[in-house]
Amino acid sequence: AQSVTQLGSHVSVSEGALVLLRCNYSSSVPPYLFWYVQYPNQGLQLLLKYTSAATLVKGINGFEAEFKKSETSFHLTKPSAHMSDAAEYFCAVSVGNFGNEKLTFGTGTRLTIIP
Amino acid sequence: NAGVMQNPRHLVRRRGQEARLRCSPMKGHSHVYWYRQLPEEGLKFMVYLQKENIIDESGMPKERFSAEFPKEGPSILRIQQVVRGDSAAYFCASSPQGAGANVLTFGAGSRLTVL
Repeated sequence: AQSVTQLGSHVSVSEGALVLLRCNYSSSVPPYLFWYVQYPNQGLQLLLKYTSAATLVKGINGFEAEFKKSETSFHLTKPSAHMSDAAEYFCAVSVGNFGNEKLTFGTGTRLTIIP
Repeated sequence: NAGVMQNPRHLVRRRGQEARLRCSPMKGHSHVYWYRQLPEEGLKFMVYLQKENIIDESGMPKERFSAEFPKEGPSILRIQQVVRGDSAAYFCASSPQGAGANVLTFGAGSRLTVL
């Protein structure tokens, strides 16, 4: 069974500063990894995904994440925070096999941007 | 091309009543997934359906909850005799046949409040 741990339920950064949201996973088979963003009262929007190709994955809105197998991590970063980045971010894992499309989500990290 | 449509967006029920949540997948998508998000938690998988077929219901509570995806019409998540602990956001996602989790599209969710 797979699992995801997101360190830090709340993260605050100043506008223009680096954003770093941490995610560690556990999986007995090579995983697919995802970051989703959720704005207030909205559904989840896919930011980026790792599906065993390049370990550095670039997503929308300037976000990227690096898959590090040795550290079982998939941290999300953005060089310069913008006010519009304020939202809740979820890391998720799937084993990716056909017929097993279940995603296992972390508990989320609420990102606040300080003007 | 409309996305995943969920209704109602907000539903209020008293304890003991029934709640019905509907999900219309994206055009061309034949797989539907339901997830539940309890307050301050991540999304938890409930059930995965194809047309007229439940593929995986390992995340569904054993009692009071049921789901269907008929040949015609939306997928329905039904909660009988609701209790306060059922208050949550229920998200539906869809994918094309055989595509796996890496092409899931989420709806905006249905927020159930049980008084």
